[in-house]
Amino acid sequence: GAGVSQSPSNKVTEKGKDVELRCDPISGHTALYWYRQSLGQGLEFLIYFQGNSAPDKSGLPSDRFSAERTGGSVSTLTIQRTQQEDSAVYLCASSFGGGLETQYFGPGTRLLVL
Amino acid sequence: AQSVTQLGSHVSVSEGALVLLRCNYSSSVPPYLFWYVQYPNQGLQLLLKYTTGATLVKGINGFEAEFKKSETSFHLTKPSAHMSDAAEYFCARNSGYALNFGKGTSLLVTP
Repeated sequence: GAGVSQSPSNKVTEKGKDVELRCDPISGHTALYWYRQSLGQGLEFLIYFQGNSAPDKSGLPSDRFSAERTGGSVSTLTIQRTQQEDSAVYLCASSFGGGLETQYFGPGTRLLVL
Repeated sequence: AQSVTQLGSHVSVSEGALVLLRCNYSSSVPPYLFWYVQYPNQGLQLLLKYTTGATLVKGINGFEAEFKKSETSFHLTKPSAHMSDAAEYFCARNSGYALNFGKGTSLLVTP
C-alpha cells in the first residue's frame, strides 16, 4: 500500500515568509508525528497527533510553529515568519496507534530559508 | 534526560566485513529501542526494534541487535557488509509518544 507522503519535497523561501508543509499518513493510521532533522541538532521531535488532537506539542521550538490535523488524516505544519535557523528537513511519520507502535516515515520536506 | 548515544559518527568497513554500530542508552527503566536506516534523500526505515522478551532481535537485510541491560547497550551488527548497506543509521528510544534519536552513524562500505 501507499506509504507516508509529504509535499512539497523541496521548498525555498525568503526570511520572513510563511510556509506550509503537508503530510499524508498511511491510511488507517491514527497517530501522526512531525520531526525536524538538521545538521546541528540531529532528529528532533516536534508534535504528536492522535486523531485530530495534539496531546504532545512539547517539541515545537517557538510560537511561530503550529500544526493541525483534519479528518484524522492529513496534517499541515505551518512556520510563520521563517528564519534561517528553520532550514532543515521536516519529517512526518504515522503509526497504527500511539504509544509504541512502529512509526513509518515519509521522505521529508527539505526547507531552505534564504 | 532519557537519551541515546551513538559512538562514532562515521564508520567505514570493507565489503564482506562485519558491521558493528554502537548505541548506548541512559535510563533507569529499560526502554523500547529501535534502529532506523536512512538512505540519501529518503525517510527513515525501521530495521528492528526491541520491546520485551528475547534480547537478540533480528531485523531486515540481515541486521540484528542485542539488548544488554548490564551495559545499557543496543549495538547493531551484520556479519557481512554489502555495498547497498551504505547509509545513515539511527538508534532511538521511546520518550513518551515520541522517539528520541541518537545523532546517527554514517556507514561507508568500500570495495
